[in-house]
Amino acid sequence: AQKVTQAQTEISVVEKEDVTLDCVYETRDTTYYLFWYKQPPSGELVFLIRRNSFDEQNEISGRYSWNFQKSTSSFNFTITASQVVDSAVYFCALSEAQFYFGTGTSLTVIP
Amino acid sequence: DTAVSQTPKYLVTQMGNDKSIKCEQNLGHDTMYWYKQDSKKFLKIMFSYNNKELIINETVPNRFSPKSPDKAHLNLHINSLELGDSAVYFCASSPRAVVSYNEQFFGPGTRLTVL
Repeated sequence: AQKVTQAQTEISVVEKEDVTLDCVYETRDTTYYLFWYKQPPSGELVFLIRRNSFDEQNEISGRYSWNFQKSTSSFNFTITASQVVDSAVYFCALSEAQFYFGTGTSLTVIP
Repeated sequence: DTAVSQTPKYLVTQMGNDKSIKCEQNLGHDTMYWYKQDSKKFLKIMFSYNNKELIINETVPNRFSPKSPDKAHLNLHINSLELGDSAVYFCASSPRAVVSYNEQFFGPGTRLTVL
């Protein structure tokens, strides 16, 4: 069974639109950590954010925001006023006994 | 002053050959990893090393063998390469053991193509 599900395989938006990338995870642990990584076309993996399971406060960083809801086991990522440079594959990941990556969501921002 | 570096960036080779990919981190981290990313972008962990001990081996074929000469290096050796080994291989490191809140820092990846 997939520990981290990113149901959206590909998303296209027009520049300046807001977009939300969904992430649903599965764990029986009470202590765990959630992450988002960005993989731009150049191929490197860039760390974006980490959340621990005890901190459900939403976080905002510039145009990026994250909504962590334990009740629905979700850790969604919203980009506000998207830009072409946001085009990338975004991975959600869960860390418990080991690191599990989701299958990624490919975001294309059209100018 | 690259944090996690891998060589080579591209590797093209014939089926049946043996090849190695090198990884070095200068972050002073305790744990290093190897991941395989297939053509569908799926990332799967292959190995991790913590203070020279293998702590994860995710049913990877024994043609793949990690070798860690010291804490800063984790090389990946692949014997008898097969077509299905074609993928991008990422090295990563983190400050402490796998059961950790620490994010992983990734290298730039090595694109392996087996002909």
